[in-house]
Amino acid sequence: AQKVTQAQTEISVVEKEDVTLDCVYETRDTTYYLFWYKQPPSGELVFLIRRNSFDEQNEISGRYSWNFQKSTSSFNFTITASQVVDSAVYFCALRRGNTDKLIFGTGTRLQVFP
Amino acid sequence: DAGVTQSPTHLIKTRGQHVTLRCSPISGHKSVSWYQQVLGQGPQFIFQYYEKEERGRGNFPDRFSARQFPNYSSELNVNALLLGDSALYLCASSWQGNYGYTFGSGTRLTVV
Repeated sequence: AQKVTQAQTEISVVEKEDVTLDCVYETRDTTYYLFWYKQPPSGELVFLIRRNSFDEQNEISGRYSWNFQKSTSSFNFTITASQVVDSAVYFCALRRGNTDKLIFGTGTRLQVFP
Repeated sequence: DAGVTQSPTHLIKTRGQHVTLRCSPISGHKSVSWYQQVLGQGPQFIFQYYEKEERGRGNFPDRFSARQFPNYSSELNVNALLLGDSALYLCASSWQGNYGYTFGSGTRLTVV
């Protein structure tokens, strides 16, 4: 079975704090892809990152960083020095290698207060 | 370039009615997928079309149907609407599924 778990329903931080959003996935496939999306109040899902199962290299993009660990089936997302504009719902998603279907977690609502 | 365009943005329907939602993908994208997002939940996969052929279908009843046109735009149709169909319907396009999917802003459907 394919499944994505985002155990943190809601996180509140004060601006400039670092915050990590957890994502744990389940799959028996050897080839798969992991994604993170941001959903602001407007509703549009904004693509943040895609990682394939053969690339465990961590990635940093500005204030964003991602830690992919196959040993723990986790793909965690860290925002450094959070800003109010980071307030949104963040979704982790899984795609099997031979389909185009994205399986989403239930999302983590991040609130950054000034 | 325009992003993924969905219409209408908001819609209110009565139980039992039929609804058609529309999606225009990014120019050059041949794959279109539809997702249903109920309030407080993650999006759930409904359909995926590639080159006008259905490539995948989620666990939704036959009341849900879709099609893709020669210009790669797509329609999602829902018959005999139920209150539980109230949700944000998202369309996503991609050049090929291996890359990041670009989502539209969605159509918010309310069934009363």
